[in-house]
Amino acid sequence: DAGVIQSPRHEVTEMGQEVTLRCKPISGHNSLFWYRQTMMRGLELLIYFNNNVPIDDSGMPEDRFSAKMPNASFSTLKIQPSEPRDSAVYFCASSLTLDLYEQYFGPGTRLTVT
Amino acid sequence: AQSVTQLDSQVPVFEEAPVELRCNYSSSVSVYLFWYVQYPNQGLQLLLKYLSGSTLVKGINGFEAEFNKSQTSFHLRKPSVHISDTAEYFCAVVHQAGTALIFGKGTTLSVSS
Repeated sequence: DAGVIQSPRHEVTEMGQEVTLRCKPISGHNSLFWYRQTMMRGLELLIYFNNNVPIDDSGMPEDRFSAKMPNASFSTLKIQPSEPRDSAVYFCASSLTLDLYEQYFGPGTRLTVT
Repeated sequence: AQSVTQLDSQVPVFEEAPVELRCNYSSSVSVYLFWYVQYPNQGLQLLLKYLSGSTLVKGINGFEAEFNKSQTSFHLRKPSVHISDTAEYFCAVVHQAGTALIFGKGTTLSVSS
């Protein structure tokens, strides 16, 4: 299995620009999670989908952030407009619905907003 | 409310020495407990988990952890570390009826020769 796939691996953009991060979960996994990792705040859960439906988005920092999962094999996390404080590593993870706690993480996208 | 505290942000050890990474949690109800490992420039991967049963849990790469309900701890141990164990280790907790993993801040294990 290819594991969770994220793209791009690195993104450098200027403040105010739109950023779209992409994730392909492991085939057959019904749950998908987006996390953000920074030195200051550690690993934070942003949003969680089950069967393509957003279940909990309480971790999304503000309206500039949005996430979608149009089908079982693809999800996006969009930041518009981006700000320097959004600089972080963004991870996508997936799991089987019946074993939500064993999550498989992608390699992450390192976002730098200048 | 749940939280998880990793007491040490960095743990330097020499190769072949034993190591313990400490984790305490706070929760008013039963929990599930996990240790994840993150190697440099990679995502996290599950090391071991406690859901129920034996309080001593064995994971991959020779690691083990012991669930201590009275002390609300889930410390990670390895009797003899290798250079390749150098990584960031995260303790995580979740309520049995919940869905979100709550991660600690992480402990950086640095193994030198």
